[in-house]
Amino acid sequence: EAGVVQSPRYKIIEKKQPVAFWCNPISGHNTLYWYRQNLGQGPELLIRYENEEAVDDSQLPKDRFSAERLKGVDSTLKIQPAELGDSAVYLCASSLGGVHGHWGEQFFGPGTRLTVL
Amino acid sequence: KNEVEQSPQNLTAQEGEFITINCSYSVGISALHWLQQHPGGGIVSLFMLSSGKKKHGRLIATINIQEKHSSLHITASHPRDSAVYICAVGGGETSGSRLTFGEGTQLTVNP
Repeated sequence: EAGVVQSPRYKIIEKKQPVAFWCNPISGHNTLYWYRQNLGQGPELLIRYENEEAVDDSQLPKDRFSAERLKGVDSTLKIQPAELGDSAVYLCASSLGGVHGHWGEQFFGPGTRLTVL
Repeated sequence: KNEVEQSPQNLTAQEGEFITINCSYSVGISALHWLQQHPGGGIVSLFMLSSGKKKHGRLIATINIQEKHSSLHITASHPRDSAVYICAVGGGETSGSRLTFGEGTQLTVNP
């Protein structure tokens, strides 16, 4: 069975440009997470979806970041406009999860390494 | 003070050595993860545990809920074990399903 798929794996853009990342979770996993990982640090949650609903977006910088999971499967994370400080690895993860706070083992994708010049 | 602290931050070992990585946390949790991250960013979940001990191959993870401490042990270490090992906790009353991550332990195993 395929794991969590992310694309692109690498992206280099100039500041002020828009960028989008795509994630396809493991089939049947209704919980999807987007994380940002800066160099030398652990991942930080940006947003968590239960099916198509964003149930935790308290850490998402909403002035420039947006995310969607329209059909409760694939998800996209967008940054517009990108800033130098956005350079990081953006990780997507999925789990079986649950709408009442139950959560399970998270499976991570390979990440997208973003470099903003 | 970080909610999840790992030690050591960096660890260099010779092939075959027994390795221990420690994780202490300060929040209430329902489970703790040990994750492995290789260069290039991919993260693999090694263990999720809420009590006692789990073993998978040469890897052993233990947790003491009362002491809020977990250890990851690697027996007969091998150069392919070289990676960053990350401890993450979550599932408590305040954090819910949000995981809080440690900063990771960079392990290098030399042949």
